[in-house]
Amino acid sequence: GAVVSQHPSRVICKSGTSVKIECRSLDFQATTMFWYRQFPKQSLMLMATSNEGSKATYEQGVEKDKFLINHASLTLSTLTVTSAHPEDSSFYICSARDLKGYDTEAFFGQGTRLTVV
Amino acid sequence: GIQVEQSPPDLILQEGANSTLRCNFSDSVNNLQWFHQNPWGQLINLFYIPSGTKQNGRLSATTVATERYSLLYISSSQTTDSGVYFCAVEPRNTGGFKTIFGAGTRLFVKA
Repeated sequence: GAVVSQHPSRVICKSGTSVKIECRSLDFQATTMFWYRQFPKQSLMLMATSNEGSKATYEQGVEKDKFLINHASLTLSTLTVTSAHPEDSSFYICSARDLKGYDTEAFFGQGTRLTVV
Repeated sequence: GIQVEQSPPDLILQEGANSTLRCNFSDSVNNLQWFHQNPWGQLINLFYIPSGTKQNGRLSATTVATERYSLLYISSSQTTDSGVYFCAVEPRNTGGFKTIFGAGTRLFVKA
């Protein structure tokens, strides 16, 4: 299957600072990338959808100014958690799909465990 | 929005046992995937199965789209099968090609 690389895998930051998470599709062009958040022992909740070269679409209840998403190329999307607070601590996972073809599956990165202290 | 329900929520098996996990969804979907999330959080693609039946080793899956459910079969379970199994669907009636996850089935296989 296709490979999606997410970096960093783990990050600890101080409250009030910003953290950037990268998501790369290594062997295919990802026309669309998705960002999810997962709390312990819970499912993945979709935060936003990003298409290359356009603004991200955020799910209801997700603060766009808090979670900045950039999808500057067909292989890279970034999620920046701005002015992080302890309640932003979570597991963040990206997904990438090539939607040029019909019926394509989603592939996921390894996830980033963010701890805000 | 679409509801994706997985059952059972938790499952404990003795090594070597077989099991069936179920995923029900409340609306039409373009596709359906099954994932295994390992203890480190990595999601492993198991099946891309909008309809029909597929097999891969000890695992197989069947989706009956007209009746809005999918089943994941695990045969001769091993301790390495432990983890959380997620069903995820792309609803047909929304734009954006989103993948929506069920709550998962947490599987523990005892040696």
